[in-house]
Amino acid sequence: DAGITQSPRHKVTETGTPVTLRCHQTENHRYMYWYRQDPGHGLRLIHYSYGVKDTDKGEVSDGYSVSRSKTEDFLLTLESATSSQTSVYFCAISDKSSTDTQYFGPGTRLTVL
Amino acid sequence: KQEVTQIPAALSVPEGENLVLNCSFTDSAIYNLQWFRQDPGKGLTSLLLIQSSQREQTSGRLNASLDKSSGRSTLYIAASQPGDSATYLCAPAGGTSYGKLTFGQGTILTVHP
Repeated sequence: DAGITQSPRHKVTETGTPVTLRCHQTENHRYMYWYRQDPGHGLRLIHYSYGVKDTDKGEVSDGYSVSRSKTEDFLLTLESATSSQTSVYFCAISDKSSTDTQYFGPGTRLTVL
Repeated sequence: KQEVTQIPAALSVPEGENLVLNCSFTDSAIYNLQWFRQDPGKGLTSLLLIQSSQREQTSGRLNASLDKSSGRSTLYIAASQPGDSATYLCAPAGGTSYGKLTFGQGTILTVHP
């Protein structure tokens, strides 16, 4: 399995609080992605990174920000969590291109009350 | 915008059967198409990546075909086993999504002994 960890694995928080999810990889892959998975919507891309300090928006980026200060870490921040952001969040990586095979982390289940 | 449809939504078969999962997509200008499996509560595992120039890709009991011009891909699973029970997702890369993956809703497969 690709070396991808996500932390925390589970989190319950209240509306209006900031939340940061972390993705850490040991594969030295260039690309990193954040997805959310919801019943009825499938997996949707939130943000992605194509290098240190290089990020771009995905399909559902409103309410989220990201940062990548090191190759191995990609952070997803919800500045002020809302109940609509209750979801399972997956990090993924790919090596040299966004069209290379993507490898997924185990996911973080976030509940916003 | 790329739209991906997977049929059937769910499938239940006895062990040993050969089966076909279908995926259709609306934008045929893709770079490749990936098939994943997802076990309950887990992340996604890459099964096969088929390039747009390929017609087929095989891995063990799995065979994926791609007809890019008609916007269709199939995943063939030979001699199914209970361990194959999972959700199977297809994800074309490219077209209007600029190389990013667009996921279908998945086919939930149950193989019973």
